[in-house]
Amino acid sequence: AQSVTQLDSQVPVFEEAPVELRCNYSSSVSVYLFWYVQYPNQGLQLLLKYLSGSTLVKGINGFEAEFNKSQTSFHLRKPSVHISDTAEYFCAVSRLNTGFQKLVFGTGTRLLVSP
Amino acid sequence: DSGVTQTPKHLITATGQRVTLRCSPRSGDLSVYWYQQSLDQGLQFLIQYYNGEERAKGNILERFSAQQFPDLHSELNLSSLELGDSALYFCASSAGPGQGPGELFFGEGSRLTVL
Repeated sequence: AQSVTQLDSQVPVFEEAPVELRCNYSSSVSVYLFWYVQYPNQGLQLLLKYLSGSTLVKGINGFEAEFNKSQTSFHLRKPSVHISDTAEYFCAVSRLNTGFQKLVFGTGTRLLVSP
Repeated sequence: DSGVTQTPKHLITATGQRVTLRCSPRSGDLSVYWYQQSLDQGLQFLIQYYNGEERAKGNILERFSAQQFPDLHSELNLSSLELGDSALYFCASSAGPGQGPGELFFGEGSRLTVL
């Protein structure tokens, strides 16, 4: 079975500062990795995904993540955050080649951006 | 707008009651997923349907059931409700095999409060 650990439940940061949200996963098989974002009172939307190839993945809104197989990590980064990035961020995994996208989510990290 | 529609958005009911949550997937999507989001459990996968058939089951209680109809909309039935069932219930859809892995499109959720 797959599992995801998001070590930080909340990350406060000032506007225009860089941020890193940490994600570690556990799996006995190869996985796909994802970051989803949930803005207040909304559903989740896909931020970025790693399927294969380059370990540095770029997503929407200036976010990027790096897949590190040896450390089983998939940390999310943004060089300069905006107030509008305040949201809950979820890391997720799914098994390769299942044909169906059952995702296992982490517990989420709340990013709080202040002026 | 993800294209996934969930009704009702809010629902308040009493313990022991039964409710039905409805989900209309994105046009053309064959797979429907149900997730439960609560403060203590995070995002938990409940069940998945593909073109009317159950495909995967997660942490779904026996008091809960779901189905997907020929027009591909889905309903999640929650019965003998308990206080602990209070949560945000998300529906997500995807096209199924052949679509990019992990690309789930989420609705805005149905917030259930059990008093």
